[in-house]
Amino acid sequence: DAKTTQPPSMDCAEGRAANLPCNHSTISGNEYVYWYRQIHSQGPQYIIHGLKNNETNEMASLIITEDRKSSTLILPHATLRDTAVYYCIVRVDWANDYKLSFGAGTTVTVRA
Amino acid sequence: GAGVSQSPSNKVTEKGKDVELRCDPISGHTALYWYRQRLGQGLEFLIYFQGNSAPDKSGLPSDRFSAERTGESVSTLTIQRTQQEDSAVYLCASSSILITNTGELFFGEGSRLTVL
Repeated sequence: DAKTTQPPSMDCAEGRAANLPCNHSTISGNEYVYWYRQIHSQGPQYIIHGLKNNETNEMASLIITEDRKSSTLILPHATLRDTAVYYCIVRVDWANDYKLSFGAGTTVTVRA
Repeated sequence: GAGVSQSPSNKVTEKGKDVELRCDPISGHTALYWYRQRLGQGLEFLIYFQGNSAPDKSGLPSDRFSAERTGESVSTLTIQRTQQEDSAVYLCASSSILITNTGELFFGEGSRLTVL
C-alpha cells in the first residue's frame, strides 16, 4: 500500500540542482515526509525529513507544499556521488510507526 | 563499531539448507529492523524489535523465517530450508529516539544471500 508516488528515474547534470518530486496526496496530518537514498550496493541512508515547514540540512532541502500533498527534495549541487535510488516515505513519528514502507523510489543518475 | 554491522556480507547456499544472518546494531539503539531487498526492488519489511517488547513479526513471509534478539544487542535472522526465492539482500537497521531526534534508521551494508 504505497503512500507515495515518485517518477521511476531522472537524469541530472553534475553541478546543477536536482529536484526530486514526490506525491503523497493521502498524507495524514500527523505523518512526516522522510527521504532516504540508497547508493548501489549500500544500505539506505537518511537524508532529511519534515512535517509541514521547509527543511534544510547539509545534504539537501525539502520543500513541502502548503496542502502537504506533495514535496520536492532538492540536491543543490549534484555530484556524481549523488547517483542513487531516492526513496520518499511518509510515516507517523518514529514512536508510533516503525514499518517504514519503501516503494521503488526514483533512480537518479548524475551525468558529468 | 560506529555503524550497524552485518555478517556474512555474502552467503551462497544450496536449496534446502538453513542459514543464519547476524546484525550488530549501533550501541545504545533500542530499535532493530530487518528488511529484505530483492534485485531491483524496494525494501520489504520483515521484523521489528523494540527494547524488551514483543517483536513485530508481521512481515515475515513464512514460518521458515525467524529472528531473535538478545536484549538490546545482536540479532540473528534464520531462514530454514532455503528456497531460491529467498535470494536477496537482507538489510538490518537500528534506531533510537533517545539518541537522535530525527527518527532516522541507520542501515548496515546488508547480507547478500544466494540460494542455488
